[in-house]
Amino acid sequence: NAGVTQTPKFQVLKTGQSMTLQCAQDMNHNSMYWYRQDPGMGLRLIYYSASEGTTDKGEVPNGYNVSRLNKREFSLRLESAAPSQTSVYFCASSPGTGVDQPQHFGDGTRLSIL
Amino acid sequence: GNSVTQMEGPVTLSEEAFLTINCTYTATGYPSLFWYVQYPGEGLQLLLKATKADDKGSNKGFEATYRKETTSFHLEKGSVQVSDSAVYFCALSDPPYSNYKLTFGKGTLLTVNP
Repeated sequence: NAGVTQTPKFQVLKTGQSMTLQCAQDMNHNSMYWYRQDPGMGLRLIYYSASEGTTDKGEVPNGYNVSRLNKREFSLRLESAAPSQTSVYFCASSPGTGVDQPQHFGDGTRLSIL
Repeated sequence: GNSVTQMEGPVTLSEEAFLTINCTYTATGYPSLFWYVQYPGEGLQLLLKATKADDKGSNKGFEATYRKETTSFHLEKGSVQVSDSAVYFCALSDPPYSNYKLTFGKGTLLTVNP
């Protein structure tokens, strides 16, 4: 029961470095999402992909890029990391974008930018 | 725009106490409402949901009723256990205005002591 797998689980970067966070799901879901979680802020949507071949901006897309590599994989890239991007990042997937199709979350990537 | 407001935490209870976590929302359309739970070190898991007014979602002894007149979806449990210690997030989905994306509250940390 892998579900949604995120790698790495932890990472420390220096300001200005680049990094790609990987996410893969094995549930044949069409839609995938990237969130960041900050203390006292809840989860905020960075980017999402409603279906393979499409991506759209969420609430906080600045400083990030995404790639929907195939149906299973959805990566998040930080081109030039900044301390403000220190956060816990969660990937999620859902069968589609209907209201009866809840999102399934990975265990998160804890990212620190020094 | 859409928003979700949860009661501020942390909430600390003794085992077998009654739990209420308040959640109110604003939405453009007719949203679906969710409660997610996050155990320490893990991703979010769907706890329960309701898709129309007066619906009651329930799971693992937790309940929440969709009250359109008061725009609320309060989470309740009659007798909490130590294993219920977690962060609880209220969320809404408001298609078609938000393309089925989830809007989360800031989360409420619950600690249950034996």
